[in-house]
Amino acid sequence: EPEVTQTPSHQVTQMGQEVILRCVPISNHLYFYWYRQILGQKVEFLVSFYNNEISEKSEIFDDQFSVERPDGSNFTLKIRSTKLEDSAMYFCASSLNQDAGYTFGSGTRLTVV
Amino acid sequence: DQQVKQNSPSLSVQEGRISILNCDYTNSMFDYFLWYKKYPAEGPTFLISISSIKDKNEDGRFTVFLNKSAKHLSLHIVPSQPGDSAVYFCAAVNQGGSEKLVFGKGTKLTVNP
Repeated sequence: EPEVTQTPSHQVTQMGQEVILRCVPISNHLYFYWYRQILGQKVEFLVSFYNNEISEKSEIFDDQFSVERPDGSNFTLKIRSTKLEDSAMYFCASSLNQDAGYTFGSGTRLTVV
Repeated sequence: DQQVKQNSPSLSVQEGRISILNCDYTNSMFDYFLWYKKYPAEGPTFLISISSIKDKNEDGRFTVFLNKSAKHLSLHIVPSQPGDSAVYFCAAVNQGGSEKLVFGKGTKLTVNP
């Protein structure tokens, strides 16, 4: 069964530092997503990516965030200058189409200290 | 190995009828289960949950049933409404373990007027 792989599983970073979360989506999927879940809260949509560009983004996804698909296999989320409130579980997902068949990664727990 | 499975990628029902969304899991350590509803370009929205100590939880039109021996849960929506049309994700967590949500791939529900 193909998987979405996220690395690292846990990242600790100092406030103000840049962090890059990495994801390897399923190879034939076309749509890519980042979500986050702050502890005890709901899963929140951050951004969707299709055809090498952002197709949708939420209010959370401000100028501190960026996504990239640098080499056709990886899908990265960069946070330029981390804040304490960025501490959350970040999920990557991919799908063949927009309607269903999503596969979520197991998440990266980001802790900003 | 896919730990949470939603074997039906799509489901279509008539308005007013019952919608039944199914989910199977393999990890017997899961002790808390959740259903999320997702509209396009939004994050999954929490709908209803159930603890492994219960076999049923009801909230308005939504009822979740858990059959631990079969490692199966289902979400019943009755009566179904056109606004219920969305992708529904089943998720599971081992609260005493990693606390990571494990999602199914989703089922697209279409409720026809």
